[in-house]
Amino acid sequence: TQLLEQSPQFLSIQEGENLTVYCNSSSVFSSLQWYRQEPGEGPVLLVTVVTGGEVKKLKRLTFQFGDARKDSSLHITAAQPGDTGLYLCARVSPPIRNAGNMLTFGGGTRLMVKP
Amino acid sequence: DVKVTQSSRYLVKRTGEKVFLECVQDMDHENMFWYRQDPGLGLRLIYFSYDVKMKEKGDIPEGYSVSREKKERFSLILESASTNQTSMYLCASGARQFFSGNTIYFGEGSWLTVV
Repeated sequence: TQLLEQSPQFLSIQEGENLTVYCNSSSVFSSLQWYRQEPGEGPVLLVTVVTGGEVKKLKRLTFQFGDARKDSSLHITAAQPGDTGLYLCARVSPPIRNAGNMLTFGGGTRLMVKP
Repeated sequence: DVKVTQSSRYLVKRTGEKVFLECVQDMDHENMFWYRQDPGLGLRLIYFSYDVKMKEKGDIPEGYSVSREKKERFSLILESASTNQTSMYLCASGARQFFSGNTIYFGEGSWLTVV
């Protein structure tokens, strides 16, 4: 069972369309990160959201953290083929013993943007 | 730039073989992680290490062990590989504490097929 549920699991759209992907949990996050993973590479951090209700923009990407800090969304405006990839949300857990913070990942949304 | 290097990108091993996956980071990070990535399941933490010779089990440690003899190097060991361990393995490293904008850095992944 995933602690973080991402939806949809797959999304295939045409260039220029808008889309939103979601990351939900039954528990409160201290903070949440979004990553993008391109084929053959490791995930790369896009953004960290910390405050309930927070909205962050990264060019055509808009990230929102729910008021109750249990959910987050990523909205892409006018998607381009270069946006194709796997989008992962990750919950930043409180420190565990001496190990510092940990990350727990959702299942991901695989996005394909067709030209 | 941060560099996390995984020694093998693609491996094919036979059932029952012992498998070593090596990971080296060049940022003097305290924490290192091994994740397994399977379609629809996101990244699942196998083991992590917060210091030399220190390790903690993640969510799915069964069938795996790890070794951290030097700060920059973290090895994942499959004592007796099985077909259900066919997967993509991702190594990551990071500073001990996460704050807004901090992240862990991933290697490019190792694709393991057990036949």
